[in-house]
Amino acid sequence: SQQGEEDPQALSIQEGENATMNCSYKTSINNLQWYRQNSGRGLVHLILIRSNEREKHSGRLRVTLDTSKKSSSLLITASRAADTASYFCATGLSGGGADGLTFGKGTHLIIQP
Amino acid sequence: GAVVSQHPSWVICKSGTSVKIECRSLDFQATTMFWYRQFPKQSLMLMATSNEGSKATYEQGVEKDKFLINHASLTLSTLTVTSAHPEDSSFYICSAPGRGSLDTQYFGPGTRLTVL
Repeated sequence: SQQGEEDPQALSIQEGENATMNCSYKTSINNLQWYRQNSGRGLVHLILIRSNEREKHSGRLRVTLDTSKKSSSLLITASRAADTASYFCATGLSGGGADGLTFGKGTHLIIQP
Repeated sequence: GAVVSQHPSWVICKSGTSVKIECRSLDFQATTMFWYRQFPKQSLMLMATSNEGSKATYEQGVEKDKFLINHASLTLSTLTVTSAHPEDSSFYICSAPGRGSLDTQYFGPGTRLTVL
């Protein structure tokens, strides 16, 4: 069932600015992941943060996780036009790939050149 | 990295016909694969879990007789939409857990189904 909620639903910023997207979820999780989807395409895995982690970095990406608030944020620094896409958070209930993912509604990010 | 392919990438069919979509893991074996559907401008919804050597498990509200899943081998799962109707038109995406980290899913490029 859909449990993730992202905000904002749409975000338009200028190239070079930072973009922050938030995600909330409802149940206990094993991990939380962020994915990118270009229009009409498949998903690309960006970063995974486990329930016992609070922050994780990967290149221009920074993810935080607050399990007490059941929320996560994705920060993209120094945005580029190529970052234009939809971004989804997804939660897994158990580790080891045993369960499918529950996706949030997504944030559509537009980077203005 | 792990690669998952889907075939076809798009298909148009008449109402009442059946359509088969293939999902293949190209460079790794996957005993489990997942099928999702995505309506325009919406998120992905998990439909079912495909298990090699056993029956698929379906999410609540997904008709197993309408969406037939067969995990034929360790690299292939198929989803057949039977007696398709226009409301079945959607983007169908499969995924498989990766080799390095089973928690990371590798997604296929998706199949756009349009039922006339």
